Amino acid sequence: AQSVTQPDIHITVSEGASLELRCNYSYGATPYLFWYVQSPGQGLQLLLKYFSGDTLVQGIKGFEAEFKRSQSSFNLRKPSVHWSDAAEYFCGGGGGSYIPTFGRGTSLIVHP
Amino acid sequence: EAQVTQNPRYLITVTGKKLTVTCSQNMNHEYMSWYRQDPGLGLRQIYYSMNVEVTDKGDVPEGYKVSRKEKRNFPLILESPSPNQTSLYFCASSLSGVDEQFFGPGTRLTVL
Repeated sequence: AQSVTQPDIHITVSEGASLELRCNYSYGATPYLFWYVQSPGQGLQLLLKYFSGDTLVQGIKGFEAEFKRSQSSFNLRKPSVHWSDAAEYFCGGGGGSYIPTFGRGTSLIVHP
Repeated sequence: EAQVTQNPRYLITVTGKKLTVTCSQNMNHEYMSWYRQDPGLGLRQIYYSMNVEVTDKGDVPEGYKVSRKEKRNFPLILESPSPNQTSLYFCASSLSGVDEQFFGPGTRLTVL
């Protein structure tokens, strides 16, 4: 089945350190991909999206993601993590015109 | 204000008592979907709809029904709820299948 996979359930980083959250996709066609963030007790907010064009995508809150077709990946990065970045992060995507599906999520823990 | 609303936000019910969770969007979006979120399982799609009177099953449709009689509304119906349907439910809408999804605030359902 076409899907996205987030291999890391939890990631722990120190405040100020760099961050990379992994996402792999398995869509046959050129995929469209998203990253969403869910802060504790909140709904989901779009961080960034990729449909085509430039493979390095800039998002809100200082996040970026790079689409790598050769590795079937769309990893989310941030150069310096803030304590307020602690949240659940979901990678989602699709390979056609259907509503995307999501990975299981990665919980980010930020140590002071 | 563009938004997706869900009601109720919290619901405690008993096994077998039919319930409906409403979802409404004011953005004239064609695509709507329902997800459930469970610890360790992330977001799983229950049903989606690409337009009025057009619905299809997602990954976990068993025990749920939906209808799309109007573009703005997409209610989720549990005919005979069971404890394994205790979860956090999100409704989402988007302009098309490849556009950003806007999520509602979530409905926390407990089935005793």
